[in-house]
Amino acid sequence: DVKVTQSSRYLVKRTGEKVFLECVQDMDHENMFWYRQDPGLGLRLIYFSYDVKMKEKGDIPEGYSVSREKKERFSLILESASTNQTSMYLCASSLGRRGTYNEQFFGPGTRLTVL
Amino acid sequence: ILNVEQSPQSLHVQEGDSTNFTCSFPSSNFYALHWYRWETAKSPEALFVMTLNGDEKKKGRISATLNTKEGYSYLYIKGSQPEDSATYLCAFILASGNQFYFGTGTSLTVIP
Repeated sequence: DVKVTQSSRYLVKRTGEKVFLECVQDMDHENMFWYRQDPGLGLRLIYFSYDVKMKEKGDIPEGYSVSREKKERFSLILESASTNQTSMYLCASSLGRRGTYNEQFFGPGTRLTVL
Repeated sequence: ILNVEQSPQSLHVQEGDSTNFTCSFPSSNFYALHWYRWETAKSPEALFVMTLNGDEKKKGRISATLNTKEGYSYLYIKGSQPEDSATYLCAFILASGNQFYFGTGTSLTVIP
């Protein structure tokens, strides 16, 4: 059974803290994505990666960075958490090189609250 | 940022009713359209991947059509069941590939 796992389901952090959200997939997928989901706004792409050590900005990269040192792991970093980063964060992966359109497999999500 | 619109935003139907909803997207630079189902407390799961104008896909009681020239896709559910209750998301993929633009979803509640 294919799987995308995320390090935490719920996380509470304080303003200014550095926050790491980890995502691991076991499907040997090339592409990995980080989204945030907010009511009324749908899923918005933060960053994606189509290969190890490669990353590209999505629609809302400000305040975030990412790391992909290994193919199976894609980390989202909030350098200095702020209250407007309170959200549901979803990781996804898909098969294929850049320019493909295969379905995405999603993790269970991390609900982050920044106080 | 591309605009992908879904309507209606939410829908309540009786068990056994058939229903449909719409995903509208830019008609230029089309590459693919995906439909996902997102049940509460679960991860979104892909229903359909559609690439060709006129495509029609079916999975059990759920089907989808695609019109790339006018920029819309319909999702149909025949004989809705309570287990169909979920948010249905569409995602538009640009010709450059890889980046997905999601709609805000249609929340379906099927009342037993």
